[in-house]
Amino acid sequence: GQNIDQPTEMTATEGAIVQINCTYQTSGFNGLFWYQQHAGEAPTFLSYNVLDGLEEKGRFSSFLSRSKGYSYLLLKELQMKDSASYLCAVRDSNYQLIWGAGTKLIIKP
Amino acid sequence: DAMVIQNPRYQVTQFGKPVTLSCSQTLNHNVMYWYQQKSSQAPKLLFHYYDKDFNNEADTPDNFQSRRPNTSFCFLDIRSPGLGDAAMYLCATSASTGAYNEQFFGPGTRLTVL
Repeated sequence: GQNIDQPTEMTATEGAIVQINCTYQTSGFNGLFWYQQHAGEAPTFLSYNVLDGLEEKGRFSSFLSRSKGYSYLLLKELQMKDSASYLCAVRDSNYQLIWGAGTKLIIKP
Repeated sequence: DAMVIQNPRYQVTQFGKPVTLSCSQTLNHNVMYWYQQKSSQAPKLLFHYYDKDFNNEADTPDNFQSRRPNTSFCFLDIRSPGLGDAAMYLCATSASTGAYNEQFFGPGTRLTVL
């Protein structure tokens, strides 16, 4: 079966750095996405990785290792507004998105 | 601004009473998706349209139907809602020819079944 694993919940302090991990087992691989979802709202696109390595976009970076079936999302200089769920999703060989359940990130002052 | 719009944002229905949720988009994307998402769970794909081609997920209950009369609009019909159908319903679009082909989501419709 296809599976995406992420921690259920993480807590971090405002101004700090946090790394959210995602491991996957899918039928094929055509890219990995990170989405942010605030409570009661729709997911919004954050990043896309298809090749190994680090993609940096402002305070957010995403890393991929295809051989390990592993990705992480790195958030720097945390702000209170970063409190949200972060969903990892992998596009499989059928070009369908397989979603993780998301990691709820709680930011404390 | 180009966007994905869902109406209504909140829908309350009674057990067994049919309900229709709507989605429209101004992005001119050829692919549209309907997801069901329950609290703290991953979005669950119900079906998607690739242009006019309808693709039903194997585990989507027969109670759920969909229509896409044109590129811009897509509807989700729940014929006889049960208590277990209470959830957030998300519409999303993507362009099959985009760089990332990422999905753009509407704000969702939260369905309550009494």
